Amino acid sequence: GENVEQHPSTLSVQEGDSAVIKCTYSDSASNYFPWYKQELGKGPQLIIDIRSNVGEKKDQRIAVTLNKTAKHFSLHITETQPEDSAVYFCAASRPDSSYKLIFGSGTRLLVRP
Amino acid sequence: DTAVSQTPKYLVTQMGNDKSIKCEQNLGHDTMYWYKQDSKKFLKIMFSYNNKELIINETVPNRFSPKSPDKAHLNLHINSLELGDSAVYFCASSQVVRTSGNQETQYFGPGTRLLVL
Repeated sequence: GENVEQHPSTLSVQEGDSAVIKCTYSDSASNYFPWYKQELGKGPQLIIDIRSNVGEKKDQRIAVTLNKTAKHFSLHITETQPEDSAVYFCAASRPDSSYKLIFGSGTRLLVRP
Repeated sequence: DTAVSQTPKYLVTQMGNDKSIKCEQNLGHDTMYWYKQDSKKFLKIMFSYNNKELIINETVPNRFSPKSPDKAHLNLHINSLELGDSAVYFCASSQVVRTSGNQETQYFGPGTRLLVL
């Protein structure tokens, strides 16, 4: 079955610096790759997603890149702010009848003021 | 106007008890899910229902029984609770675009924190 690996498990950056989180997936049939942010005591919230027909997508300070050949996708956060501190999850999904998300193990991001 | 809501938010109970968690979505979605998040924050799919029909059961013990009375509700009943069932349970919903097969965003509820003593 699908396996999603996520690195690093923890990331500490200075406010204003960039943060990059990387994921690899195993199932070449996966075509949907969302990123979720989970704040303490809350449910995961989608921050950006990308489909396999696109190589890059950007939304203000957040961008996601996808390399289908290498089965890698990455989250880039620029000009980090303390409120970006949270746990970030990547996920992958394939277009079959289940539509389940397979999550990475999460990255705890700390933005130091 | 909460999109995906769960009750209760916290659930503390003794081993061996039976408990239920309720989930409701007001987004008009046709697919609903239950995920389990363990103490290490790992999120894993348990069940998925599409239009009240079970489409995923990820090798979850049969002590766990989901029930979908209608498209907007997916409840989770757990029999004979065990210590290892302690976790945060998240409900989610999404809309699948049948013509393309693409899945739209999965929206998560706030979670139910279950502690089995």
